[in-house]
Amino acid sequence: QKEVEQNSGPLSVPEGAIASLNCTYSDRGSQSFFWYRQYSGKSPELIMSIYSNGDKEDGRFTAQLNKASQYVSLLIRDSQPSDSATYLCAVNSRGNGGFKTIFGAGTRLFVKA
Amino acid sequence: DAGVTQSPTHLIKTRGQQVTLRCSPKSGHDTVSWYQQALGQGPQFIFQYYEEEERQRGNFPDRFSGHQFPNYSSELNVNALLLGDSALYLCASSPSGGAVDTQYFGPGTRLTVL
Repeated sequence: QKEVEQNSGPLSVPEGAIASLNCTYSDRGSQSFFWYRQYSGKSPELIMSIYSNGDKEDGRFTAQLNKASQYVSLLIRDSQPSDSATYLCAVNSRGNGGFKTIFGAGTRLFVKA
Repeated sequence: DAGVTQSPTHLIKTRGQQVTLRCSPKSGHDTVSWYQQALGQGPQFIFQYYEEEERQRGNFPDRFSGHQFPNYSSELNVNALLLGDSALYLCASSPSGGAVDTQYFGPGTRLTVL
């Protein structure tokens, strides 16, 4: 079983729609959860971080966390063509004074104009 | 305020050679993590450095080693290169000795092993 799983997509949505990206993780001791956006040939860019159960909103982005179900999601409202990218779910666990980050393989999102 | 920088941008090596990649963290950050990202995959955690010591390590062989300098910059060394080591190598930095685990990534080094 992969430690962090995401649907590889591609997920295709029309401009202005809501894009919903999902992620599950296996380590119940995980404490921090992140969504990164990665354009082709570029490095990951942090979009959202979430640490406690519930929703966290930042502009057009909403992250949702359910630790009991080991589930993290990202909603993108009013999707724009510039949102077309790969979205990476990342999960941190702590130990030895530091932390270790496990990434999912990413979901490719296409927003059609 | 400079972000995370990495050098070189691209590198071509042959099997069996050794390579050193370099990273300078974002200003104010003292913790550096290294990742390997193969094409079409998510980044894979290699290791994390703080106070010049390796604190966490992923599932990578001993051919992968690192170092952190007093100015918090870091190097990733890979010995006895294999074709499968071809990937984008990413460096990420974070502040406060890792107590704050929000990371910022550099642009990466694209390594091609022939």
